Amino acid sequence: AQSVTQLGSHVSVSEGALVLLRCNYSSSVPPYLFWYVQYPNQGLQLLLKYTSAATLVKGINGFEAEFKKSETSFHLTKPSAHMSDAAEYFCAVSAPRGYNKLIFGAGTRLAVHP
Amino acid sequence: SQTIHQWPATLVQPVGSPLSLECTVEGTSNPNLYWYRQAAGRGLQLLFYSVGIGQISSEVPQNLSASRPQDRQFILSSKKLLLSDSGFYLCAWIPSSGNTIYFGEGSWLTVV
Repeated sequence: AQSVTQLGSHVSVSEGALVLLRCNYSSSVPPYLFWYVQYPNQGLQLLLKYTSAATLVKGINGFEAEFKKSETSFHLTKPSAHMSDAAEYFCAVSAPRGYNKLIFGAGTRLAVHP
Repeated sequence: SQTIHQWPATLVQPVGSPLSLECTVEGTSNPNLYWYRQAAGRGLQLLFYSVGIGQISSEVPQNLSASRPQDRQFILSSKKLLLSDSGFYLCAWIPSSGNTIYFGEGSWLTVV
């Protein structure tokens, strides 16, 4: 079975500062991992995904995430926050052959202030 | 190209009334289809998924049901809505040969 924990339901950063959103997973098999972003009143958009290739994954809008098996983590980072990054971010995990059951974390709301 | 359509976008329904949310996918065949619910201030909860016509798996017991009458059509229904059914409902799909889930724009349901 898989599960996801996102540490911090709300994160606030200054424009230009580093963004770090934390995600830890639990999986009985090598996982696939995803980060999605949700802007207000919209569906979810895929930011990036890890599917057992390179452990450092680059996504859209300057985001990247690193898969660390020893820490069971898949934290999302961006070197310099923009005001437009303000949104809710979801980490998700699935088993490679079981992605019928993509499991999401509770989400982290990112606020960016001037 | 592949697209997903979900409607209606917004719905206000009285308690005890029926519900029908519809989702269709274009540009693909035999997708896996999903219904998620996002309650206010909470994450996403998988409600139903389907791997083929007429094949529905329910993840949580609830007041809702799902049907897949056609390959690319997925319907979320209720016979009698409860206040607790309010939330943001998201349809999603995965290509039969893929590993990434794509979401529709969502439907806001307010039960009053």
